Amino acid sequence: TQLLEQSPQFLSIQEGENLTVYCNSSSVFSSLQWYRQEPGEGPVLLVTVVTGGEVKKLKRLTFQFGDARKDSSLHITAAQPGDTGLYLCAGASGTYKYIFGTGTRLKVLA
Amino acid sequence: EAGVAQSPRYKIIEKRQSVAFWCNPISGHATLYWYQQILGQGPKLLIQFQNNGVVDDSQLPKDRFSAERLKGVDSTLKIQPAKLEDSAVYLCASSLIPGLAGGRPTNYNEQFFGPGTRLTVL
Repeated sequence: TQLLEQSPQFLSIQEGENLTVYCNSSSVFSSLQWYRQEPGEGPVLLVTVVTGGEVKKLKRLTFQFGDARKDSSLHITAAQPGDTGLYLCAGASGTYKYIFGTGTRLKVLA
Repeated sequence: EAGVAQSPRYKIIEKRQSVAFWCNPISGHATLYWYQQILGQGPKLLIQFQNNGVVDDSQLPKDRFSAERLKGVDSTLKIQPAKLEDSAVYLCASSLIPGLAGGRPTNYNEQFFGPGTRLTVL
């Protein structure tokens, strides 16, 4: 069974701080996605990475796919209260069925 | 472009009762998914449809859960009878045919989620 472990589970930081969220697995994925979910809403896709070692940037968010395509990280620079939410990674291997990670709940305090 | 619609947004029932959720995907999306998200966890795929056919229902508890997408557009998910452990948010998502995103062939899938239905079983 494929498992995606995310760390940390919870993170509370002050506005302006930097943070990194990790997504780890023992399985190899053909693609990995990051989502943000706000209370009462469904997850919203932020990015998809498909190549080992790939780095993608989305404004203050930097996503990296591990060289072996088993892990990924999300780095947020100068966090803002609007970044508050549940961050989910999801990996697919060989098919288009995505397994979701356990989630990281981020709270950015003003 | 209208997003994925779900109703109801909230439902409270007692155990052993029945409940149904409805989902209307984004127009033109052939693939529809139902996920269960238990508090504090990531979503778990229950069933995936392509048009009106089931692609994957390996994690659907078929003794109590059923889903249909008769005309290949909207879908209903039913639980009968409900158990306490069914308390969760039920998310519907849709996508173009897997491997197609933004009209271009890809090797990944781009899913769009609805707001979910929060079910509480007492």
